[in-house]
Amino acid sequence: DTAVSQTPKYLVTQMGNDKSIKCEQNLGHDTMYWYKQDSKKFLKIMFSYNNKELIINETVPNRFSPKSPDKAHLNLHINSLELGDSAVYFCASTLTGQEPNYGYTFGSGTRLTVV
Amino acid sequence: AQSVSQHNHHVILSEAASLELGCNYSYGGTVNLFWYVQYPGQHLQLLLKYFSGDPLVKGIKGFEAEFIKSKFSFNLRKPSVQWSDTAEYFCAVDSYGGSQGNLIFGKGTKLSVKP
Repeated sequence: DTAVSQTPKYLVTQMGNDKSIKCEQNLGHDTMYWYKQDSKKFLKIMFSYNNKELIINETVPNRFSPKSPDKAHLNLHINSLELGDSAVYFCASTLTGQEPNYGYTFGSGTRLTVV
Repeated sequence: AQSVSQHNHHVILSEAASLELGCNYSYGGTVNLFWYVQYPGQHLQLLLKYFSGDPLVKGIKGFEAEFIKSKFSFNLRKPSVQWSDTAEYFCAVDSYGGSQGNLIFGKGTKLSVKP
């Protein structure tokens, strides 16, 4: 019944590895996001997809590649992991232009630790 | 560029004290405003949101916020905090007015409530 679900919840991996984080929403939303929360709790948007189309692509290393197979899924693949990639990654979704129920729903986060 | 400022990095209060957390944003157009709470080790939860209408918005758990357009502010308040309110609080602004969605967060305010 989880509205926005991310897997895995925890991920510990070595530098240089490639890993993926998956996100799925069952809310019927049309837009999905990836946010990164660093060690100081700062939340920064990374990517946004609307109906499988990339809308926002902030300044993120090209080692990060989002993929949206359909509007209910937005996965994040990271190549050649670095120590600085350690953070909590949050997926979120929304249904745009639908006030007053408009709002963002966040997943529970994936804590990535690169060692 | 749009930005959100939260004035207090860490606020420490005793139970039953009143709370006000400051939030200012910089954006000249239509905005939607949000306050999120993140309890230790958990994901983001929506406390309240403002789109239009009454600038005094009531949210969950006894929180409220007031939108003052002339001051570009959206301060969060609670008349009497509880130990269980200990968490990180994030102010956020959607600068596209809901049509596309681009949620920008402040750096967060950590609230510690002493029993």
